[in-house]
Amino acid sequence: EAGVAQSPRYKIIEKRQSVAFWCNPISGHATLYWYQQILGQGPKLLIQFQNNGVVDDSQLPKDRFSAERLKGVDSTLKIQPAKLEDSAVYLCASSLRETQYFGPGTRLLVL
Amino acid sequence: QKEVEQNSGPLSVPEGAIASLNCTYSDRGSQSFFWYRQYSGKSPELIMFIYSNGDKEDGRFTAQLNKASQYVSLLIRDSQPSDSATYLCAVTGANDYKLSFGAGTTVTVRA
Repeated sequence: EAGVAQSPRYKIIEKRQSVAFWCNPISGHATLYWYQQILGQGPKLLIQFQNNGVVDDSQLPKDRFSAERLKGVDSTLKIQPAKLEDSAVYLCASSLRETQYFGPGTRLLVL
Repeated sequence: QKEVEQNSGPLSVPEGAIASLNCTYSDRGSQSFFWYRQYSGKSPELIMFIYSNGDKEDGRFTAQLNKASQYVSLLIRDSQPSDSATYLCAVTGANDYKLSFGAGTTVTVRA
């Protein structure tokens, strides 16, 4: 069974630029999560989707972050404009029930 | 927001010894508890999950849960250099599958 796929793996941008990340969950997993993991910290949930609906986006900085999951499968997370403090690893995870499986992550560096 | 606290580490153990990792959580209603392993530069990988009070063993790993004390632990027996990683404790809520992570404990196994 294929795991969670993410791209790109690495991205370097300058502050105030925009960036987008893509995630393809494990086949059949209805729930998809985006996390932000800053160096030395545990992952922090940004947004949770159930199929193509948002379940929780309470910790998503909506002035600059947006996410969508069209057709209930793939998802994109966008940052516009990026700030220095957005430098982190962005992890996508998916689940059938409570056990979440993570993709390889996208490492973002904002200069 | 559920709070999850882990002993900060780093934890250094000799090869063959037992590594003991601790985690406490604030939400008394938390239902599911997970341990993830994260190698440097990689994404979290599920090691074990536990739902009921008591011990759960899987190979060299044992998870222990005490809901009354709001405490979950992970024991790694016969520690190997390949166990050197950061171990993340994660808990779900009473009514949802959203995970809250601790900051992680870094384990180094000395050969």
